[in-house]
Amino acid sequence: SQTIHQWPATLVQPVGSPLSLECTVEGTSNPNLYWYRQAAGRGLQLLFYSVGIGQISSEVPQNLSASRPQDRQFILSSKKLLLSDSGFYLCAWIQGFYSNQPQHFGDGTRLSIL
Amino acid sequence: DAKTTQPPSMDCAEGRAANLPCNHSTISGNEYVYWYRQIHSQGPQYIIHGLKNNETNEMASLIITEDRKSSTLILPHATLRDTAVYYCIVRVAGTGANNLFFGTGTRLTVIP
Repeated sequence: SQTIHQWPATLVQPVGSPLSLECTVEGTSNPNLYWYRQAAGRGLQLLFYSVGIGQISSEVPQNLSASRPQDRQFILSSKKLLLSDSGFYLCAWIQGFYSNQPQHFGDGTRLSIL
Repeated sequence: DAKTTQPPSMDCAEGRAANLPCNHSTISGNEYVYWYRQIHSQGPQYIIHGLKNNETNEMASLIITEDRKSSTLILPHATLRDTAVYYCIVRVAGTGANNLFFGTGTRLTVIP
């Protein structure tokens, strides 16, 4: 069966520090991968998605970047964190870009910027 | 994507069926209905989805009205572990990249 892992689960970082969040998927190949941010009491905002190694699409301009160095690895990064980067970050995967299959989510990383 | 309306909270006695309604009156013909739930501090967990026929899996049943303007998620025998926020989402199949409008969902509390 397929599983998705995210780490760390929680992270507290000072303003201006770098960031690296990692997501890996097991049990499938060539998944479409997504990074979302969830604000408290609100929906999910799509940040980045990837349909293959090295292919990244950004949905909103911001202080973050994403990379996909391997088929089942997706990384969210920042060179200098802002206070507004605080939030709950979720990685998700889906098999097939044009599909009615649901997205499956990791357990998220709660990021607090001080 | 069409938006959904759900009651903010519901209670259900343990062992009884939990019926969670969702209104999606502006749904279009190619939009699927998806249900997720989220337990505090965890990622959303997929439950079930459907287009127009009723669906059932090991977790729940999904009943979609004939006009597709509303649906009901049924947890047949609720347990304490089913306490969570339940989200109903409509989304066009084939849009691989999209914002998922989870809204505020329904907070289900299963009571012992």
